[in-house]
Amino acid sequence: DTGVSQNPRHKITKRGQNVTFRCDPISEHNRLYWYRQTLGQGPEFLTYFQNEAQLEKSRLLSDRFSAERPKGSFSTLEIQRTEQGDSAMYLCASSRVKSGANVLTFGAGSRLTVL
Amino acid sequence: GENVEQHPSTLSVQEGDSAVIKCTYSDSASNYFPWYKQELGKRPQLIIDIRSNVGEKKDQRIAVTLNKTAKHFSLHITETQPEDSAVYFCAASAIPRDYKLSFGAGTTVTVRA
Repeated sequence: DTGVSQNPRHKITKRGQNVTFRCDPISEHNRLYWYRQTLGQGPEFLTYFQNEAQLEKSRLLSDRFSAERPKGSFSTLEIQRTEQGDSAMYLCASSRVKSGANVLTFGAGSRLTVL
Repeated sequence: GENVEQHPSTLSVQEGDSAVIKCTYSDSASNYFPWYKQELGKRPQLIIDIRSNVGEKKDQRIAVTLNKTAKHFSLHITETQPEDSAVYFCAASAIPRDYKLSFGAGTTVTVRA
């Protein structure tokens, strides 16, 4: 297992288009997260899955955003009708609780540029 | 919700000197405090973490201290090397929502050779 994999690494799109990002977590991790990172800021929590169940969504995740994790494996994050303010790095992370510790492993991210 | 503030935003140190980054948190229920290092264009990587039942933890040249009463924690890097140059993020999470990390804004550390 080579870690958390995200695709595509870069996406340039025009305002109003839909985009979808994919995340493949570490195989034995049952927890999966999406974070958003803008320039000069730390990652901001978007949503969390435990297995296939989406257990929390941030207020940052407007109704244009939808995330899924079918069968508790890979996850997708779709943004509909993109806006320039959606331009950011979208980071996926996965984890499993071990010895009471929940250590997140991040992917390299998918950078979105909305023109 | 949790609010994590991080200082300074930039830090320049001479190679071999120490670097200290400080973070404060607002939620007294926070009990887990990781530090991530992010090199340019790369993923954030965990470098050290501390739980609220411990006041200090050390791993080679890196140490983290936690003051629960004051609600602040710090990262200490000793004998800095050029490869320590990166952006460092502190974060905090609280039971029962241990899945939700709140990050600071980051500190850009530059180690001058």
